[in-house]
Amino acid sequence: GQQLNQSPQSMFIQEGEDVSMNCTSSSIFNTWLWYKQDPGEGPVLLIALYKAGELTSNGRLTAQFGITRKDSFLNISASIPSDVGIYFCAGQLGAGNMLTFGGGTRLMVKP
Amino acid sequence: NAGVTQTPKFQVLKTGQSMTLQCAQDMNHNSMYWYRQDPGMGLRLIYYSASEGTTDKGEVPNGYNVSRLNKREFSLRLESAAPSQTSVYFCASSATSGDRGQYFGPGTRLTVT
Repeated sequence: GQQLNQSPQSMFIQEGEDVSMNCTSSSIFNTWLWYKQDPGEGPVLLIALYKAGELTSNGRLTAQFGITRKDSFLNISASIPSDVGIYFCAGQLGAGNMLTFGGGTRLMVKP
Repeated sequence: NAGVTQTPKFQVLKTGQSMTLQCAQDMNHNSMYWYRQDPGMGLRLIYYSASEGTTDKGEVPNGYNVSRLNKREFSLRLESAAPSQTSVYFCASSATSGDRGQYFGPGTRLTVT
């Protein structure tokens, strides 16, 4: 099936630093989603992007829907210890289509 | 309002044993999903149920069966467990099929020895 390449696979940063991660696909998607998974829990939706070029913020999180519709980026500003977890991107071709998930970026924050 | 609940939280099986993973949601959602999560692979869809009374295969259905018992409950059965089925299993639900807002349960960690 389709594959989403998410990078980096893991990051170990100092508290207060900014974080960037991205997701790329060989085919287009019409919706991009970003989820966060806390240890021992299921993923929780952070941001949804519906339009090429769209830039959306949710607190310290900002995500962008790439203009080619084949990529998306997530930035976290001024990281804090509770940002620790695995961040997943997911693409959806259209309403009614299933989600395709990336492999995840594991974020570790050193206080 | 518990959202999506899954039982059990942990399970260890021997090769060849069978078991059923249970999932229930109290959000009156029409669609429910079963995913498996393996390191570095993200979440892969096993089966889904777009609405009560229907089920369809996802990306990795082999070795699994599902039952949409009613609108609230969607179970996943392993008839003859294999070590390759060692994984974390997540159930999710959404208002409609493919709805962007999928809500996930806490997961079941399954080990097959």
